[in-house]
Amino acid sequence: NAGVMQNPRHLVRRRGQEARLRCSPMKGHSHVYWYRQLPEEGLKFMVYLQKENIIDESGMPKERFSAEFPKEGPSILRIQQVVRGDSAAYFCASSMTDTEAFFGQGTRLTVV
Amino acid sequence: TQLLEQSPQFLSIQEGENLTVYCNSSSVFSSLQWYRQEPGEGPVLLVTVVTGGEVKKLKRLTFQFGDARKDSSLHITAAQPGDTGLYLCAGPQPSNTGKLIFGQGTTLQVKP
Repeated sequence: NAGVMQNPRHLVRRRGQEARLRCSPMKGHSHVYWYRQLPEEGLKFMVYLQKENIIDESGMPKERFSAEFPKEGPSILRIQQVVRGDSAAYFCASSMTDTEAFFGQGTRLTVV
Repeated sequence: TQLLEQSPQFLSIQEGENLTVYCNSSSVFSSLQWYRQEPGEGPVLLVTVVTGGEVKKLKRLTFQFGDARKDSSLHITAAQPGDTGLYLCAGPQPSNTGKLIFGQGTTLQVKP
């Protein structure tokens, strides 16, 4: 069983570019969470999705950020017009229900 | 309002010492999970506790779920440098939305 797969592991973008982060959940998992983590800090919830639905996006900035989890394919976190403050590690987790989420290894975004 | 409060936030100890990390809430949880995150990696699930009063052991780690299912603790015996990392507790949001919520984490440093 493959775990939660995130790619890329590292992403460098210039200010103003778009960043696309991908997350393939574990097989059979229909719940996906995205979290952001700044250095030396804990996980900050961004968005919670189930297949084709955004359930809770209360942690996601209203502008420039969007997320989707289509019927087929990975979940995508998109950040448009990136700024230096978007530099962080972005983690995806998946679960079958609302317990025991499994995390990917994260995408480290650096905005230069 | 933080539904899951972890304490302490930071802990620096010498190898061989014992320690306890707490995860408290005013809400009842159907289950709680503990994760450990090492630098540069995603959080890894350590254990899930489900029954009030339950105690689970994982080598030198002992996890306890409070009788009222509002709190949990992680006790490490004879800590080793390999135990260094960020420890997170998590549980399903009591309002039953299907969303997992996390504590802010406890950063543990074990010095040789």
